[in-house]
Amino acid sequence: EDQVTQSPEALRLQEGESSSLNCSYTVSGLRGLFWYRQDPGKGPEFLFTLYSAGEEKEKERLKATLTKKESFLHITAPKPEDSATYLCAVQALGEGSYIPTFGRGTSLIVHP
Amino acid sequence: KAGVTQTPRYLIKTRGQQVTLSCSPISGHRSVSWYQQTPGQGLQFLFEYFSETQRNKGNFPGRFSGRQFSNSRSEMNVSTLELGDSALYLCASSLATGSGSPLHFGNGTRLTVT
Repeated sequence: EDQVTQSPEALRLQEGESSSLNCSYTVSGLRGLFWYRQDPGKGPEFLFTLYSAGEEKEKERLKATLTKKESFLHITAPKPEDSATYLCAVQALGEGSYIPTFGRGTSLIVHP
Repeated sequence: KAGVTQTPRYLIKTRGQQVTLSCSPISGHRSVSWYQQTPGQGLQFLFEYFSETQRNKGNFPGRFSGRQFSNSRSEMNVSTLELGDSALYLCASSLATGSGSPLHFGNGTRLTVT
């Protein structure tokens, strides 16, 4: 069974204090790994898709990386507006197995 | 380009009633998926439609059903509501099923069952 585990569950940072969120996964074959940001009371907002080990994507203060077993979301010099829950989802290869499996998320709070 | 639109945003229902939620996908997106989100279980997949056909169904009871129309708009229905059905129901659209395309979510319908 495909599994996605995110850590830590919660993270508190001071403004400017860089850190990383982890998403580890077990799938028979990876079609894509997705990162989302979710603000309270809203739906998840798509951030990145990663398809193969070694791939990296960047957007403002966020950088996502991928290995064969995990992905990291690096947050550089975060600001309070980066506070949100970050979700990771994995889509597997194979007929009938393409429904993304979501992790439970990491709740990030950035203090000014 | 307009995003995914879900209506209504909030609903309060009583146990035993039924409810219908609506979703309009991003223009050009033919795949629509529905998820239930609760603090205890996270995002749980309900079902996915593509070109008016249900392609996949999650592990939910038959009280949960859905459909997709020819314009790709989708509805989901929950009958005989239970207290445990209280959740945020999210609709997501994507370009095509199984293509590695990301899901684009609406802001959800917050359902409270009393």
